Amino acid sequence: DAGVTQSPTHLIKTRGQHVTLRCSPISGHKSVSWYQQVLGQGPQFIFQYYEKEERGRGNFPDRFSARQFPNYSSELNVNALLLGDSALYLCASSLAPSNEKLFFGSGTQLSVL
Amino acid sequence: AQSVTQLGSHVSVSEGALVLLRCNYSSSVPPYLFWYVQYPNQGLQLLLKYTSAATLVKGINGFEAEFKKSETSFHLTKPSAHMSDAAEYFCAVRMNSGNTPLVFGKGTRLSVIA
Repeated sequence: DAGVTQSPTHLIKTRGQHVTLRCSPISGHKSVSWYQQVLGQGPQFIFQYYEKEERGRGNFPDRFSARQFPNYSSELNVNALLLGDSALYLCASSLAPSNEKLFFGSGTQLSVL
Repeated sequence: AQSVTQLGSHVSVSEGALVLLRCNYSSSVPPYLFWYVQYPNQGLQLLLKYTSAATLVKGINGFEAEFKKSETSFHLTKPSAHMSDAAEYFCAVRMNSGNTPLVFGKGTRLSVIA
């Protein structure tokens, strides 16, 4: 079975641009979470979605938004990019929000110049 | 609020030596605790988890961790380091009830010297 897949793997943008990152969960997993990992730090929670509804939001500005589709895939959108948004963005899926076992994708490396 | 503190951003051991990576947690309620490993240019892989069953938890690749409530610790150990263990290791915590996200520590980079 395929694991969590994320696209693209790498992305270079300039300040002020908009970016969309995509995630496909493991088959059968209905919950998707997004994390931001800045170089040298641990992942930081951004969003969690379950059954197309937002179930949790971390301490990130409104420039960050996400959605989940009927097939449980998800998109993370970031508007008005800042240099500080440069990071590895990780998607994780689980059977349900309360399920303690998360499966992570390999991430999208975003560089903002 | 929950948090974890990983002591030592970088740990270096010789091949065959004991690996000890330290993690202390802070939580107002009994927590779930996790160790994840991240190899270069990859996502995170779950090594092991504590969910209030046995306090000594065995994981993959020969790693284990012991939950010590009195010390609020969840240190990761492996008796004999292999070169392939070189990676970044993250301790994480979440509440054991409700729908709460994982809170990660800053990570410890493990180097294994031949």
